[in-house]
Amino acid sequence: EPEVTQTPSHQVTQMGQEVILRCVPISNHLYFYWYRQILGQKVEFLVSFYNNEISEKSEIFDDQFSVERPDGSNFTLKIRSTKLEDSAMYFCASIVTGGRNSPLHFGNGTRLTVT
Amino acid sequence: QKEVEQNSGPLSVPEGAIASLNCTYSDRGSQSFFWYRQYSGKSPELIMFIYSNGDKEDGRFTAQLNKASQYVSLLIRDSQPSDSATYLCAAGRSGNTGKLIFGQGTTLQVKP
Repeated sequence: EPEVTQTPSHQVTQMGQEVILRCVPISNHLYFYWYRQILGQKVEFLVSFYNNEISEKSEIFDDQFSVERPDGSNFTLKIRSTKLEDSAMYFCASIVTGGRNSPLHFGNGTRLTVT
Repeated sequence: QKEVEQNSGPLSVPEGAIASLNCTYSDRGSQSFFWYRQYSGKSPELIMFIYSNGDKEDGRFTAQLNKASQYVSLLIRDSQPSDSATYLCAAGRSGNTGKLIFGQGTTLQVKP
């Protein structure tokens, strides 16, 4: 069964550094998402991306965050200047369409640790 | 503020019993509801989704939806120790089932 693939599985960075989290969505999927989960807390929506542009973003997704689909397969999340509170699991997800019979499939996640 | 609420548990059941997990949601515009299982340190894994009022069965799992009461539940029959995990309830609006509001999850412990 096709999977959403995320790399790296664990990223350690120093506060103020830029990080790029990478994802390869399922190949025939059209909608792409980033979610995050701070340890012990809820899974939170960050951003959705469709047709090469952001379709919706949450309050969390401020100017420090950006997403890009640089080629036909990769989908990236960049955090420009990381803060301690950015430490979390980041999940990429994709969906075939936005319709009812198309549930979200998550990648295995990237654990980001900001020191 | 749109919320999905779950009892964090832990819910402890003996092996072979029925585990009942519950969830309420505040957004009446929610049309699609999902149950995910999450093992510690892992990503959410889809178990079931439901859109219509009533019951939906898939193997040992039954999802129940009551839109009037804004209530969703998941029943796990013949619970196994491998079912021990955190169960996440999530809600989405029609036409945008990729943007989900998650509950905090209920931790289920199935004791052999």
